[in-house]
Amino acid sequence: DQQVKQNSPSLSVQEGRISILNCDYTNSMFDYFLWYKKYPAEGPTFLISISSIKDKNEDGRFTVFLNKSAKHLSLHIVPSQPGDSAVYFCAASERGTYKYIFGTGTRLKVLA
Amino acid sequence: NAGVTQTPKFQVLKTGQSMTLQCAQDMNHEYMSWYRQDPGMGLRLIHYSVGAGITDQGEVPNGYNVSRSTTEDFPLRLLSAAPSQTSVYFCASSYRQGNQPQHFGDGTRLSIL
Repeated sequence: DQQVKQNSPSLSVQEGRISILNCDYTNSMFDYFLWYKKYPAEGPTFLISISSIKDKNEDGRFTVFLNKSAKHLSLHIVPSQPGDSAVYFCAASERGTYKYIFGTGTRLKVLA
Repeated sequence: NAGVTQTPKFQVLKTGQSMTLQCAQDMNHEYMSWYRQDPGMGLRLIHYSVGAGITDQGEVPNGYNVSRSTTEDFPLRLLSAAPSQTSVYFCASSYRQGNQPQHFGDGTRLSIL
């Protein structure tokens, strides 16, 4: 049973426009959510996170939104740049478990 | 500043062979973990450790062993490799306190023939 789901395997966006990546989860005990970016032949790098006590967190061009009632989070990238082209993973953890469960990833392509 | 270092970067094994994937971090992180990445499956947690001498199973632990004798090192052992273990393996580490993002190594690409 996939506890963290990214239902869009790929997404293409024009440079300068907004990219919206989505993630759904099933475990209501998750209390911390993260987004990672991954380039080919490299390990994932941390992008932004959000605690379940918040519904929004911003860091520059990146904003993560959390809707606990819908068990849904999204990552907004504005404006999108060609260098943002990568695979994006969402991840979640349950308080005290030290287990981070990852989604299957969304490949973002930003077109110049 | 090396961060998380994984060796080797590539390896080809025959079915039944054993192998140890090495992972070392120089950030004094208590928490370390191993993931495998397969097409369409994302990153799946194999084993993790919250400190020296403490390990626990993740989502897909079968066929893998780990130990944590020091804070810095967290090796992953395949005792009898199987073709189903062909994958890209990532090691990660973080501070243990509170919610902390993990730092990942660049991965080991492993093929089992």
